[in-house]
Amino acid sequence: DGGITQSPKYLFRKEGQNVTLSCEQNLNHDAMYWYRQDPGQGLRLIYYSQIVNDFQKGDIAEGYSVSREKKESFPLTVTSAQKNPTAFYLCASSIGTHGNTIYFGEGSWLTVV
Amino acid sequence: AQSVTQLDSQVPVFEEAPVELRCNYSSSVSVYLFWYVQYPNQGLQLLLKYLSGSTLVESINGFEAEFNKSQTSFHLRKPSVHISDTAEYFCAVRPIQGAQKLVFGQGTRLTINP
Repeated sequence: DGGITQSPKYLFRKEGQNVTLSCEQNLNHDAMYWYRQDPGQGLRLIYYSQIVNDFQKGDIAEGYSVSREKKESFPLTVTSAQKNPTAFYLCASSIGTHGNTIYFGEGSWLTVV
Repeated sequence: AQSVTQLDSQVPVFEEAPVELRCNYSSSVSVYLFWYVQYPNQGLQLLLKYLSGSTLVESINGFEAEFNKSQTSFHLRKPSVHISDTAEYFCAVRPIQGAQKLVFGQGTRLTINP
């Protein structure tokens, strides 16, 4: 089936450790996105990529890093510099531009203890 | 820049009652408008969207939203809700030109009581 796969679903890490969240899509979409969701704050954009080997910072990029070496993959690394990393992280993708729907994965829960 | 305000963080209603979830936006450029639904511990699913044409758009499960340009609103309505509609609903906008990224409201938690 076509879709967006995020892994792992649940992840626990110790404070100070980097962690990488995986996002893979087989929809042949050009654009991919990472959002962070916190209760009562909606979703906030971390990074997005409109084409392979290119990505841009979103509204809350500090403490995160991404890569886009392949069209189908857009991993997110939460670094130790991220002050409040515990959150629900959502990966998304779209065909490209101009009103095309953005589709979301099932999300990954990251808890830092 | 764009911003989205969902005027109610929580809306409790009884089953089979009508409901309206309010959404206002601010943008210096023209935008597309979306409503997404999120069931517990899941990702977001597109409910409906306005791109152009008729200002009233409908979803397959009975929701509808009307784009009002003069009031910069995109309220979501359903004439009769079901228990299965219990979820969080997000309004979002995306500029027609420029960077193609969604800006979300804070979400409205819809709770249906029997």
